[in-house]
Amino acid sequence: AQTVTQSQPEMSVQEAETVTLSCTYDTSESDYYLFWYKQPPSRQMILVIRQEAYKQQNATENRFSVNFQKAAKSFSLKISDSQLGDAAMYFCAYRSWYSGGGADGLTFGKGTHLIIQP
Amino acid sequence: GAGVSQSPRYKVAKRGQDVALRCDPISGHVSLFWYQQALGQGPEFLTYFQNEAQLDKSGLPSDRFFAERPEGSVSTLKIQRTQQEDSAVYLCASSLAPGGDLNEQFFGPGTRLTVL
Repeated sequence: AQTVTQSQPEMSVQEAETVTLSCTYDTSESDYYLFWYKQPPSRQMILVIRQEAYKQQNATENRFSVNFQKAAKSFSLKISDSQLGDAAMYFCAYRSWYSGGGADGLTFGKGTHLIIQP
Repeated sequence: GAGVSQSPRYKVAKRGQDVALRCDPISGHVSLFWYQQALGQGPEFLTYFQNEAQLDKSGLPSDRFFAERPEGSVSTLKIQRTQQEDSAVYLCASSLAPGGDLNEQFFGPGTRLTVL
């Protein structure tokens, strides 16, 4: 079974600064997807960024980028130019490449609460 | 629809009552997932449907939990004889296809269940 670990229960950053959220995972699979989801207080989970394990290039979406280290099983999220609207819980998640047989659901970490200081 | 919707948004039940939670996925989405999110935790997978077929129910915590999607669209998660440990937010998600690049899961707002 796969596990996802987020070792930072809470992080705080000044508005306009850069913050990095950590995520490590454990798997025996070679092909998989990794995701970062944002969950604001309204509780609707929103996909921030995704990475396919076969891609060596780190994914980027505007101010959000990842540092994917496959050998180290590490998948950190960098948020540049932090904005007040970035305040939320951030979850790292894993999904197997293969579908069926229990592989379809996401495995989440416990989350990191991101606080933006004005 | 514009997004995944869930109802009710909040449910309070007395211990021992049965509850039914509804999920309306995005129109045309083949895959539907249920997750349970306890307070201060990440969501945990409960069950998965591909159209009307329940392909994976490995995450259901007990036989008191039952899910269905009879026509391949709307899904209902039913919890019988609720217990206090069932208190959580129940999230529903749907995706266009089960695998490949179309497997992004879109989440609903969740139903917060409180069992007294």
